[in-house]
Amino acid sequence: KAGVTQTPRYLIKTRGQQVTLSCSPISGHRSVSWYQQTPGQGLQFLFEYFSETQRNKGNFPGRFSGRQFSNSRSEMNVSTLELGDSALYLCASSLEAGTVSYEQYFGPGTRLTVT
Amino acid sequence: AQSVTQPDIHITVSEGASLELRCNYSYGATPYLFWYVQSPGQGLQLLLKYFSGDTLVQGIKGFEAEFKRSQSSFNLRKPSVHWSDAAEYFCAVVTLNFGNEKLTFGTGTRLTIIP
Repeated sequence: KAGVTQTPRYLIKTRGQQVTLSCSPISGHRSVSWYQQTPGQGLQFLFEYFSETQRNKGNFPGRFSGRQFSNSRSEMNVSTLELGDSALYLCASSLEAGTVSYEQYFGPGTRLTVT
Repeated sequence: AQSVTQPDIHITVSEGASLELRCNYSYGATPYLFWYVQSPGQGLQLLLKYFSGDTLVQGIKGFEAEFKRSQSSFNLRKPSVHWSDAAEYFCAVVTLNFGNEKLTFGTGTRLTIIP
């Protein structure tokens, strides 16, 4: 079974632009979570989607948004990019919602650099 | 607030030596605890988890962890490390976010193996 895939793997954007990252979960998985990883802040939870609905949200500004499609694929969008948005963005999928009950499988991440 | 602390930023051990990575949690009730490993350029992989029951948990790749409520710790151990164990290790706890679960990660411990 194929793992979690994220596209693109690397991205360079300019401050003020917007960006869309994509995540395809493991086949059959219905929950997708997004995380931001930076050297300064570590791994931080962005949001979780389940059945096309945002189920859970971390403490990020409204510039960060996401959505999930009927096939469980998910996208996250960052508008008006800032230098501090440079990070590795990780996507994780699980069978159902609920971190305790269902193991999260992580993708390799998208490395976003904002210049 | 519910959190995890990994006191060691970087640890170096010789190949074949034993390993212990420290993790302390802050949580009022019984915590749900995880250890993940991240190799360079990769996403996170779950090594093991503790929900309840036996306080010594066995994981993949020969790792184990022991939950000690009295010390608020969940340290990761391996009796004999291999060069392939060089990676970053994250302890995580499930925290409640407005009634929904999310993973809160520690800052990570980078493990270097010397021949």
